[in-house]
Amino acid sequence: ETGVTQTPRHLVMGMTNKKSLKCEQHLGHNAMYWYKQSAKKPLELMFVYNFKEQTENNSVPSRFSPECPNSSHLFLHLHTLQPEDSALYLCASSQDPSGYYEQYFGPGTRLTVT
Amino acid sequence: EDQVTQSPEALRLQEGESSSLNCSYTVSGLRGLFWYRQDPGKGPEFLFTLYSAGEEKEKERLKATLTKKESFLHITAPKPEDSATYLCAVRSGGSNYKLTFGKGTLLTVNP
Repeated sequence: ETGVTQTPRHLVMGMTNKKSLKCEQHLGHNAMYWYKQSAKKPLELMFVYNFKEQTENNSVPSRFSPECPNSSHLFLHLHTLQPEDSALYLCASSQDPSGYYEQYFGPGTRLTVT
Repeated sequence: EDQVTQSPEALRLQEGESSSLNCSYTVSGLRGLFWYRQDPGKGPEFLFTLYSAGEEKEKERLKATLTKKESFLHITAPKPEDSATYLCAVRSGGSNYKLTFGKGTLLTVNP
């Protein structure tokens, strides 16, 4: 595997389900990110992790719970979601979160909440 | 608050017809401006980083330029495979780690 991988690629869940999204980066980076991409809206940053420590929570509802066990893996745990949470969820990584280094994105998980 | 505005929202070109995409930004101390390409159903693919006014970078048919208020992505003699959404993002020198994205320009190149 190379770059940033995400699983699953597609997910359909009911409002009462609990599911998790997984991201893995094979680039040796220290920072990882979760973004939400909705139609007609810019990418929205959700969470930032630097050396597996959360450094940013961009006012995300508690029904989204991130987990970063090490610098290569990032999870997004989902529970009691709303239909408006349906979107493309993107994981990204960079050498560090300073902003001087570009972020590399995974292919995303297309989430549909029914 | 950092702001990024991309124009036009959509652009349709004939193959070989050169044009430019615009990214206007407002930030407090620019740390970096990034261009990405995104194909439908995929994650953004990194193209360029620009750090200071006057800087230019090129890759195949693409050339990115930067001034103190905006960046342009020039596309020379585009091909149908250049069709994608092009995203611009900025990172300010503030204490947060947020990368602010524009809504993107959807480019369609017809053969």
